[in-house]
Amino acid sequence: GQQLNQSPQSMFIQEGEDVSMNCTSSSIFNTWLWYKQDPGEGPVLLIALYKAGELTSNGRLTAQFGITRKDSFLNISASIPSDVGIYFCAGQPFQGAQKLVFGQGTRLTINP
Amino acid sequence: EADIYQTPRYLVIGTGKKITLECSQTMGHDKMYWYQQDPGMELHLIHYSYGVNSTEKGDLSSESTVSRIRTEHFPLTLESARPSHTSQYLCASRKTSSETQYFGPGTRLLVL
Repeated sequence: GQQLNQSPQSMFIQEGEDVSMNCTSSSIFNTWLWYKQDPGEGPVLLIALYKAGELTSNGRLTAQFGITRKDSFLNISASIPSDVGIYFCAGQPFQGAQKLVFGQGTRLTINP
Repeated sequence: EADIYQTPRYLVIGTGKKITLECSQTMGHDKMYWYQQDPGMELHLIHYSYGVNSTEKGDLSSESTVSRIRTEHFPLTLESARPSHTSQYLCASRKTSSETQYFGPGTRLLVL
């Protein structure tokens, strides 16, 4: 089946730094979603992307749907302690697909 | 804001016990999902439902069963819990016209 490769697996940064993570696949995707999960909680949707090339922001977060439809990235600017958590990308393989494909997650740790 | 609820949030139970994890959503979503996730790891789809009286097995084999008698309710049952079932169980739902899945807060299960 289709797979998403998410990188990096983990990041250790200083507060105030910018963060970049991405998801890639050998297959095209119809929709990209980015979620954040705090410890012991369910994932919360951050950004949804629907068109190739689309660039969408949500506060300090910016995500882009790759032009080839095989990748997506998420940037966080000026990180703060509450950004700590695990970030997951997810893709819808085709229009009408019932299931999402999830990446393995990027664990973000911030040193104050 | 997604209105999807899971109970209990935490459960410690002995081997061999029957348990039911509850999931309810008040958004009228047709599609519902159960994922299994070990701490900090990727999500594995174990069951999903297109609507009332529809259930399908997911990508990861699971000894659990589900039912969908009402739109808003999608319980997951383990007939005989084992230590290998220790994990976090996440419920999600979406409306048919959208790819975005909304997650509940999860149930953390520990089987002794």
